[in-house]
Amino acid sequence: GQNIDQPTEMTATEGAIVQINCTYQTSGFNGLFWYQQHAGEAPTFLSYNVLDGLEEKGRFSSFLSRSKGYSYLLLKELQMKDSASYLCAVSFGWGKLQFGAGTQVVVTP
Amino acid sequence: DVKVTQSSRYLVKRTGEKVFLECVQDMDHENMFWYRQDPGLGLRLIYFSYDVKMKEKGDIPEGYSVSREKKERFSLILESASTNQTSMYLCASSTQGTGAVDTQYFGPGTRLTVL
Repeated sequence: GQNIDQPTEMTATEGAIVQINCTYQTSGFNGLFWYQQHAGEAPTFLSYNVLDGLEEKGRFSSFLSRSKGYSYLLLKELQMKDSASYLCAVSFGWGKLQFGAGTQVVVTP
Repeated sequence: DVKVTQSSRYLVKRTGEKVFLECVQDMDHENMFWYRQDPGLGLRLIYFSYDVKMKEKGDIPEGYSVSREKKERFSLILESASTNQTSMYLCASSTQGTGAVDTQYFGPGTRLTVL
């Protein structure tokens, strides 16, 4: 089975940096995805890691350590529009994803 | 751009009714998925399909069935709706392969309320 843990909520101020951690225990691992989901909307793809290390995409970066079963999503220069839920998901074959419960990020002025 | 559409954004049904949720994707994706999303539980996979007429149970298939008669369309059926099936239902699609091509693209969701 799969077990994916991430914090329930994080609060940060505009312009700051926030790091969302995700730990997983899976019986099969093809890669790790991060999705963003604004309230009432569909999740949208942010990033994907398959190898250890850091992937950078503008203000967002994602890190993976396969040996530790650990990933984080780093949001820099926070903007109000970054207030959303961030979902960690493990890919474990057949295109299937196992999602964590999501981390609600609240950005305050 | 990938487009995944769902037949309704909001739906209200009564206990015992048969409910159909439709999902259509326009990117010729092989894989299609149905999830439900509940507060504190995240997205849970109900069923998925990797080809026409093929289906596989996900983590919570009880009380649901699916149909995939055409590649672009994947239907979720609640045979006899119950109040504990009140939830947000999300459809997704992806290509088959490895790596980032497995990225799932989601529809806007259907918020179903069963009274």
